[in-house]
Amino acid sequence: QSALTQPRSVSGSPGQSVTISCAGTSSDVGFYTYVSWYQHHPGKAPKLMIYDVTKRPSGVPDRFSGSKSGNTASLTISGLQAEDEADYYCCSYGNNYRVVFGGGTKVTV
Amino acid sequence: EVRLLESGGGLVQPGGSLRLSCAASGFTFSSYVMNWVRQAPGKGLEWVSGIGGSGDNTYYTDSVKGRFTVSRDNSKNTLYLQMNSLRAEDTAVFFCAKGFRYQLSNVFDIWGLGTMVTVSS
Repeated sequence: QSALTQPRSVSGSPGQSVTISCAGTSSDVGFYTYVSWYQHHPGKAPKLMIYDVTKRPSGVPDRFSGSKSGNTASLTISGLQAEDEADYYCCSYGNNYRVVFGGGTKVTV
Repeated sequence: EVRLLESGGGLVQPGGSLRLSCAASGFTFSSYVMNWVRQAPGKGLEWVSGIGGSGDNTYYTDSVKGRFTVSRDNSKNTLYLQMNSLRAEDTAVFFCAKGFRYQLSNVFDIWGLGTMVTVSS
């Protein structure tokens, strides 16, 4: 069960936008509209930021948005803020009852 | 308040066993798939296992099949992970995560703080 592919790190200045890519295959990201994104501050519980590619749970700022094209999903953070500095993980449902995470991307503000 | 609290982690020798527990509160426990997700030191998140609301359906990542067993006691609102034949590569923080839906999915809307499992001689 191979992990989804994310860049190790991205960075941006306060107020800028950053986009994190998440590359999968036609058996997971490309086949299902089931991509989610999690924010994780080390030592804390991970937090759901985006689900079903584009949906935001209640309480998540609209600065966070998701999209997908083919086998690659993306998370965009607009108007970067200091508190957005964290690790971000994409996650997809896959064939045969698989759930697979990306390797994680460290966002530096 | 919706809450998940893991316990049972610790230091165990290779080949040994450990049982993790996750106490849930603040939601109808039996209505949701529950999951275990782990994070090895310096590594990313890895989904380990899930179990349907009734406990009838269980799911595992390939690397733990035959060694780990997930179960739940809906009368106690508690999720378990029995881990046998532990290996050094199982060393990780194990998180309990509530599924967003009744069936297995990749959406985990509530997480615990995790419990550390260290496999070492």
